[in-house]
Parts: sequence; structure tokens; C-alpha cells
Amino acid sequence: AQKITQTQPGMFVQEKEAVTLDCTYDTSDPSYGLFWYKQPSSGEMIFLIYQGSYDQQNATEGRYSLNFQKARKSANLVISASQLGDSAMYFCAMREGSRTGGFKTIFGAGTRLFVKA
Amino acid sequence: EAQVTQNPRYLITVTGKKLTVTCSQNMNHEYMSWYRQDPGLGLRQIYYSMNVEVTDKGDVPEGYKVSRKEKRNFPLILESPSPNQTSLYFCASSLPGAGQFFGPGTRLTVL
Repeated sequence: AQKITQTQPGMFVQEKEAVTLDCTYDTSDPSYGLFWYKQPSSGEMIFLIYQGSYDQQNATEGRYSLNFQKARKSANLVISASQLGDSAMYFCAMREGSRTGGFKTIFGAGTRLFVKA
Repeated sequence: EAQVTQNPRYLITVTGKKLTVTCSQNMNHEYMSWYRQDPGLGLRQIYYSMNVEVTDKGDVPEGYKVSRKEKRNFPLILESPSPNQTSLYFCASSLPGAGQFFGPGTRLTVL
């Protein structure tokens, strides 16, 4: 069964420092996608970054990068130069194909990040 | 402006009274999905749709129905709501395999 684990319920980081949010996944499907989303206190869900299972290089989007270690089944999010506005809940998600040809998506429980001034 | 809209944003109802939460996207996305968010559980997928007239169950489909008659709309129907369906609901859309755009959420309370 597919599963996403985020082991850090909460994290603190000093402003301007880098922080890594952990995510491990479990799937038997060779084709899958990994995503990170941000949910600020206002409640909206914001897509940050995507990594495909066949991508050779780690994905990057501005200050966000995804440290993809396929053999370890981990997809950690790295935020460089943290800003106060990065304080939010962060969710790791995995999409994999279903038996009916569609794409199911599962989310981890999330990590709440606090950026300190 | 590219967006996913949901209505209503807030709803308080009583057990057994049928309700529909609408979802519409203007990005011509094939993939649409409904999630519920409960504290400590992250988001759980209720139903998803790969295209018009193609829908499939997510992880928590019991008590919900969906339809996809038009590409832009994907309503969520609760035929007989129960208190355990009190939750925050999100609709999302995307191109296949891409990151999802989420609606603003619908906070539902079933008394």
C-alpha cells in the first residue's frame, strides 16, 4: 500500500538559514510523482515543487529544492535562506497510477515550520 | 485569472440533509480531485476524475458522490451527511502528472 511519512510534526529555523523537511514514501509502482505543498495559516494550499520517479536530477524551484533519494525512498524538501513568510504547514504528497488508469494522490500528515526572526 | 472556485465557503447543516459543494476551474485541466482535511491526518483523497465522465474513488469515498459532466465542474455531493463528515474540503485541478491548483476550501459542519 502506498504511504507517505513526515516524521517532524514541527520544526524551528532561524531566518536566513536553510531547513530540510523530511518525507519518506512507500510504493511498489515504478512510476510515481512526488510533490510538496505549503499551507499558510490563511488556509490555502500552494503547490511548491514536483519530482518524477524517473527524473535523474533533483527538482529545484527558486529557494525550494527536492532532495530525491530513490533507493532510500525519501523526498526531502530543502528551503534555502528561510524567510518569515515561510512559516506554514508543509505537506509531502505522492501520486501513483491506479488500476483503473487514473492517478491517486496521498498526502503526509504535514510538518509545521516556524521561522524565527 | 487562473483559479479553482468552490461554493459555499462555509456551511452548517444537519444530519441527513443532502448538500452539494460546487467546484469549478478555468484552466482546462483534465484532472480534478476532492480532498478532506482533518487535524493530524493531512489531506485524504475522496474522489478524483481524469476527464469528463471518468471518475474514481480515492481513499475515503464512503458517503460521497461526484459527477463530471463538464470539464470545468466537479461537484461533491453528500446525499445524507453525518457528523463524521464535518471537515475542511478542498477541490483541486491539474494537468495530468502536474502539481495541483487548489480551491480556497469549504468548511462543513454537520450537526
